[in-house]
Amino acid sequence: SAVISQKPSRDICQRGTSLTIQCQVDSQVTMMFWYRQQPGQSLTLIATANQGSEATYESGFVIDKFPISRPNLTFSTLTVSNMSPEDSSIYLCSVALDRYTEAFFGQGTRLTVV
Amino acid sequence: DAKTTQPNSMESNEEEPVHLPCNHSTISGTDYIHWYRQLPSQGPEYVIHGLTSNVNNRMASLAIAEDRKSSTLILHRATLRDAAVYYCILPQFYNQGGKLIFGQGTELSVKP
Repeated sequence: SAVISQKPSRDICQRGTSLTIQCQVDSQVTMMFWYRQQPGQSLTLIATANQGSEATYESGFVIDKFPISRPNLTFSTLTVSNMSPEDSSIYLCSVALDRYTEAFFGQGTRLTVV
Repeated sequence: DAKTTQPNSMESNEEEPVHLPCNHSTISGTDYIHWYRQLPSQGPEYVIHGLTSNVNNRMASLAIAEDRKSSTLILHRATLRDAAVYYCILPQFYNQGGKLIFGQGTELSVKP
């Protein structure tokens, strides 16, 4: 199993600024994932955070806007850069160990951009 | 990517069984069927998963069609706490990790 802690749990930010979200897992995992959930919508995968190499971004998401760091097997950060009100969403970190077990999610970071 | 199709919403009465359907006609032989749910203001949580045989756990049962092109999540006695969005997902696993592609899910409401 895995327990995921995300910080901050929520924040209100000014447009044009950046916010870095932290994700800490209580065990070593090969890959971590970042999702975005816009208001009233389902979750959308942003990228896969790979330890020791650049993150792999899904279509529609770019590194300049959502830089991701993964310094070790238990920690990752997602930065939302140059924020606009359209970035107001919940951002979630997740790990999925293998096909035989479940995926685990953090509680999310609720971001409001004003 | 294997795609799933679910009804947008369903209603149930408290303490009655609920059957949540999912179609996945393009499923491959190695795809596991996972179900997650998202309670209001929370991250998704795992419910159950299976490959071919029906599965039971303390939360629910998963019935998988013989051709594996559809499955049904069964909540045996719905409670108010089961009101959530339920997602049927076929995770993609590689390199010791899996990514989940979420569809719109089924929003389940439970009436007292």
